Amino acid sequence: GAGVSQTPSNKVTEKGKYVELRCDPISGHTALYWYRQSLGQGPEFLIYFQGTGAADDSGLPNDRFFAVRPEGSVSTLKIQRTERGDSAVYLCASSPYPGRRSSGANVLTFGAGSRLTVL
Amino acid sequence: AQSVTQLDSHVSVSEGTPVLLRCNYSSSYSPSLFWYVQHPNKGLQLLLKYTSAATLVKGINGFEAEFKKSETSFHLTKPSAHMSDAAEYFCVVSGEGSQGNLIFGKGTKLSVKP
Repeated sequence: GAGVSQTPSNKVTEKGKYVELRCDPISGHTALYWYRQSLGQGPEFLIYFQGTGAADDSGLPNDRFFAVRPEGSVSTLKIQRTERGDSAVYLCASSPYPGRRSSGANVLTFGAGSRLTVL
Repeated sequence: AQSVTQLDSHVSVSEGTPVLLRCNYSSSYSPSLFWYVQHPNKGLQLLLKYTSAATLVKGINGFEAEFKKSETSFHLTKPSAHMSDAAEYFCVVSGEGSQGNLIFGKGTKLSVKP
């Protein structure tokens, strides 16, 4: 597509429920990233995919969080047993390829985000 | 470990006056640095990036930033603010580990008064 698409744009759920957030990256982008932005803070890295595999999941806060990208395109971020502290905007981004750090190829295009509210 | 510090949480300027948003970074190697802008209810948009080429980097919408290694700074400037510049601005450094791990500052909210 023309940009990174995220659904839903808003999700309200109750504590303890399961939530899925979807990201559709720019067509042809091999790298996909999830970030979380809490109120008044900058985005924080969660996980990064190169193709179908998670190349770096060091930012996932605990085992309630999981993400998949089975066909190397669309990705789903899954949150089990949601807690009030999970409330945030979840941002997805994609890039053509991760590249070397010095090449400047690591320019991310972000989606508008999914705002999750856990009551 | 890499980190960024945005020195001002909120900057207010009058339309037509210069903009200065300050950023200091910490990195154990030569970093890649970025400035992103976030308008309300819109996705983060890249303004400019520094990747060890020219130290003065020009971006979109008249913004530019200068990489100063001796000061570990990457301040964002614009000669003349426009009302449409009002937004949240993030200074970003590439993480040391994964190439996908960007480290964001806490952001600076820019207000522009008519």
